[in-house]
Amino acid sequence: NAGVMQNPRHLVRRRGQEARLRCSPMKGHSHVYWYRQLPEEGLKFMVYLQKENIIDESGMPKERFSAEFPKEGPSILRIQQVVRGDSAAYFCASSQGQTSTDTQYFGPGTRLTVL
Amino acid sequence: AQSVAQPEDQVNVAEGNPLTVKCTYSVSGNPYLFWYVQYPNRGLQFLLKYITGDNLVKGSYGFEAEFNKSQTSFHLKKPSALVSDSALYFCAVRDGAAGNKLTFGGGTRVLVKP
Repeated sequence: NAGVMQNPRHLVRRRGQEARLRCSPMKGHSHVYWYRQLPEEGLKFMVYLQKENIIDESGMPKERFSAEFPKEGPSILRIQQVVRGDSAAYFCASSQGQTSTDTQYFGPGTRLTVL
Repeated sequence: AQSVAQPEDQVNVAEGNPLTVKCTYSVSGNPYLFWYVQYPNRGLQFLLKYITGDNLVKGSYGFEAEFNKSQTSFHLKKPSALVSDSALYFCAVRDGAAGNKLTFGGGTRVLVKP
């Protein structure tokens, strides 16, 4: 009964490179959320996706960040031309349904370091 | 807009003593409240949630939380803390009228001393 899977767990990029973070939801879950945690801070919502649809991207930076959740395969958070300020832990969560009462279950996170 | 406040950055408690981690919230619709715990270099683990009904919610690892509508609070409690409870605790709220995103508090670090 695997939980939410994220890879890689650690990612190091140089300024200007691209970062791709992957998330596989729990079995039976079709709703995926991405959050970012800056050092010593709480988590901030970035984007909410269902299969092939972005439902809420109100927390996504306007430039360089994109997310997708294709019909087959994991959800991808993509950061183009990374800068040092992108260094953070990125967490993916999934839920079974789309109601406000559904619990979101979190993956172990990807820790991105931009040199 | 929804918001969560955890007024204490850190809580220190002796093993065996009661543990309380405070949380207050603000939403425009119905509040759905959650507690998560984070151990070092790990993801968040779900502890418990309040949706409706009984104001006292029981969760994992002996934790419970009390929903207080008049004080807009959802404090996390454990009657007898263990050293292994030392971790970072996050309160989160979802506004029933504002979609599915969770808004988190800044976190409270709990240190349980033997």
